[in-house]
Amino acid sequence: DAKTTQPNSMESNEEEPVHLPCNHSTISGTDYIHWYRQLPSQGPEYVIHGLTSNVNNRMASLAIAEDRKSSTLILHRATLRDAAVYYCILRGNSGNTPLVFGKGTRLSVIA
Amino acid sequence: EAEVAQSPRYKITEKSQAVAFWCDPISGHATLYWYRQILGQGPELLVQFQDESVVDDSQLPKDRFSAERLKGVDSTLKIQPAELGDSAMYLCASSLVMGETQYFGPGTRLLVL
Repeated sequence: DAKTTQPNSMESNEEEPVHLPCNHSTISGTDYIHWYRQLPSQGPEYVIHGLTSNVNNRMASLAIAEDRKSSTLILHRATLRDAAVYYCILRGNSGNTPLVFGKGTRLSVIA
Repeated sequence: EAEVAQSPRYKITEKSQAVAFWCDPISGHATLYWYRQILGQGPELLVQFQDESVVDDSQLPKDRFSAERLKGVDSTLKIQPAELGDSAMYLCASSLVMGETQYFGPGTRLLVL
């Protein structure tokens, strides 16, 4: 499985934008970039995913580098409820390909 | 909004005892996953079902762990006998079909004494 590298932790002030980076230099052409997050004492939840183009949804935006070797999850206005561990995961396009979680980035939001 | 249900939420047991966890996926979801999450780590896939069939159990310690999904709906994960190193969060997830977004339950936190 292709590997991802994320910072162990990040801190943000409430109501400011947050940019969570992810490096994936060994990504293959068919790997999708998925982001999940895990709030305290809960199971992970899906945030967003993309292949080549930038993606937006109600939760976040995903900016993918042109060479696809890195990506950034953008939370436009961090709230206290966004404090969580954020996982960047590469997943092949075969239906049977599993999600392989790393340690993720622990985001702290300061009021 | 439909959710994945798991029970119990917490379980304390002594080593060498048997434990069982139950998962009820979102209605209509054909694919079901069991993960184990050790404190400070990301979840690790133990077993994946497509309907009632096991698709991937390569990371399941089969000498002590078993999983079943007899009618292709709810599922049970069993550990017998439990060991100290099994203390972890056990998460269940489901997806409509393989490869689609996975929806996770709240997990069962197991402590083995």
